[in-house]
Amino acid sequence: EVQLVESGGGLVQPGGSLRLSCAASGFTFSSYSMNWVRQAPGKGLEWVSYISSSSSTIYYADSVKGRFTISRDNAKNSLYLQMNSLRAEDTAVYYCARETYSSGWVDYWGQGTLVTVSS
Amino acid sequence: AIRMTQSPSSLSASTGDRVTITCRASQGISSYLAWYQQKPGKAPKLLIYAASTLQSGVPSRFSGSGSGTDFTLTISCLQSEDFATYYCQQYYSYPMYTFGQGTKLEIK
Repeated sequence: EVQLVESGGGLVQPGGSLRLSCAASGFTFSSYSMNWVRQAPGKGLEWVSYISSSSSTIYYADSVKGRFTISRDNAKNSLYLQMNSLRAEDTAVYYCARETYSSGWVDYWGQGTLVTVSS
Repeated sequence: AIRMTQSPSSLSASTGDRVTITCRASQGISSYLAWYQQKPGKAPKLLIYAASTLQSGVPSRFSGSGSGTDFTLTISCLQSEDFATYYCQQYYSYPMYTFGQGTKLEIK
């Protein structure tokens, strides 16, 4: 069974940093591209970042470029999102999301982890 | 960036109804479109990809159509478990994606 379990969310002050993790199991993690997608409270879905299976290709949404860093450790079956210079508008549930063989659509999502940026 | 606009933003319907949700892209995206269903407090669930291909395990009452800039998601006979929020997503600009703003389907 495919499982994606996010962790690392919490309350952080504006300007602070947080590192999210996503533990993957039930599939060959190193074969799949992964994404982070977020959802602000009561709002829609927003794509945040993409990383290819080998980490050779990385993309970010303009809203987080220069502040967030996506990475992965295929030996540990883990995906990460380092978030720096956090702003109130980064408050959201962050989902780890697996793509179907680099297709562009997400076939599995984690349960999400809430990040709250507030003083 | 490609913008995705869904209509309506909300919709009231009854069990057994046929409903259609529209998604329009700001530029042509061929058939590079997916649809997701999200229930409160849960992660989204993939329903359809490539505009019209049903994900494994998704009931056949869900269908998708369209290409270019205009797409539709149709639920042929609403069941109680279908009341949720639906999102379209373009992946034409792979791997930079955009979602529609969502359509909330509520019980009348």
